[in-house]
Amino acid sequence: DAGVIQSPRHEVTEMGQEVTLRCKPISGHDYLFWYRQTMMRGLELLIYFNNNVPIDDSGMPEDRFSAKMPNASFSTLKIQPSEPRDSAVYFCASSTTGAGIWFGQGTRLTVV
Amino acid sequence: GDSVTQMEGPVTLSEEAFLTINCTYTATGYPSLFWYVQYPGEGLQLLLKATKADDKGSNKGFEATYRKETTSFHLEKGSVQVSDSAVYFCARSGGYQKVTFGTGTKLQVIP
Repeated sequence: DAGVIQSPRHEVTEMGQEVTLRCKPISGHDYLFWYRQTMMRGLELLIYFNNNVPIDDSGMPEDRFSAKMPNASFSTLKIQPSEPRDSAVYFCASSTTGAGIWFGQGTRLTVV
Repeated sequence: GDSVTQMEGPVTLSEEAFLTINCTYTATGYPSLFWYVQYPGEGLQLLLKATKADDKGSNKGFEATYRKETTSFHLEKGSVQVSDSAVYFCARSGGYQKVTFGTGTKLQVIP
């Protein structure tokens, strides 16, 4: 298996622009997580899905952030409009019972 | 709620030194416990896990024992190498496969 695949690996965008991050989980995993990592706040759970249904989005910082999982093999995290304080590394991860969480390599987002 | 507390870093050791990184967790429910490692520019990788009290997880020379009486899951390695330099995260499971991570401990091993 190729593992969790995220795209793009790096994204530089201007403040106010829309940003879309993409994730393909490991086949057969029924949980999908979006995390954000910064030096100041460490690793934060933004939202997670079970069987494509959002279970807990209490970590989403504000309405500018939205996430979707239209099917078992694809998820997006969208920021609209983006702000400089959104600059971080965003990780997607997937899991199934007993497997632990498997992370993608992350998307480094820079908003200028 | 669920939480994990791990020792502040950075930890700097000489090659072949003994490593301990302390981790404690909140004792709600019957969590599984994990150690993850993050190398520069990469995502977190599962290093080892333990699913019940007194279990010992081990991998690549690292070990950690699930201690229910002290709510601890300390990471140890007998002889560290330069290639072990990374950030180590302790974590515990919760409901719905949700995993709560500690703040991470940076390890630097010098030759």
